[in-house]
Amino acid sequence: QLVLTQSPSTSASLGASVKVTCTLSSGHHTYAIAWHQQQPKKGPRYLMIVNPDGRHSRGDGVPDRFSGSSSGTERYLTISSLQSEDEADYYCQTWGTGFQVFGGGTRVTVL
Amino acid sequence: ETQLVESGGDLVQPGGSLRLSCAPSGFTFNEYWMSWVRQAPGKGLEWVANINQDGSEKHYVDSVKGRFTISRDNTKNSLYLQMDSLRAEDTAVFFCARGGQGKYCTVFDRWGQGTLVAVSS
Repeated sequence: QLVLTQSPSTSASLGASVKVTCTLSSGHHTYAIAWHQQQPKKGPRYLMIVNPDGRHSRGDGVPDRFSGSSSGTERYLTISSLQSEDEADYYCQTWGTGFQVFGGGTRVTVL
Repeated sequence: ETQLVESGGDLVQPGGSLRLSCAPSGFTFNEYWMSWVRQAPGKGLEWVANINQDGSEKHYVDSVKGRFTISRDNTKNSLYLQMDSLRAEDTAVFFCARGGQGKYCTVFDRWGQGTLVAVSS
């Protein structure tokens, strides 16, 4: 069964970097994932796709402070030069034939 | 500018029905998979249903099979979600999302702002 696992929360200081992890279930290391940002009281916003080889492609208008990488079944979102508006929930998403899966989300707090 | 605007959310009693609509703009609607995703209060995102470009292929999460129906009208540039036999656990904000141009529904690269469905007596 395809499952995405995320830690519930993380925090970092203004101007620092933070790395958010999404772990694919065992045996699903060939899957790409997408990262989405949801600021408080807003709809989600697509950030990027991260491929199994670590290549990533950002969505329209997404700052290059946001980057992605991969290692095995783990997919990462790194936010550099953290800004106050980066405080949000971050969700990973993947897909199979006929279905979609989301991780439980990671809340990033900017200290 | 690409936009998705949902409407139709309301307060409805358990067992009732509701139809949500999504009005896309800024892109060629009939080239894309479309989906509905929901978010219960204080919870994460949950995929609900998707539909392919011409409406011939539809998929649902198990919890809504037989109760919800996704459809689209490419002549009217509209996406719909008919929700019947609503339950309290269906209470959520429902988002319309764009899901890619290929043979399969993949990345959700555009989202609407959501419409609230509350199921309560």
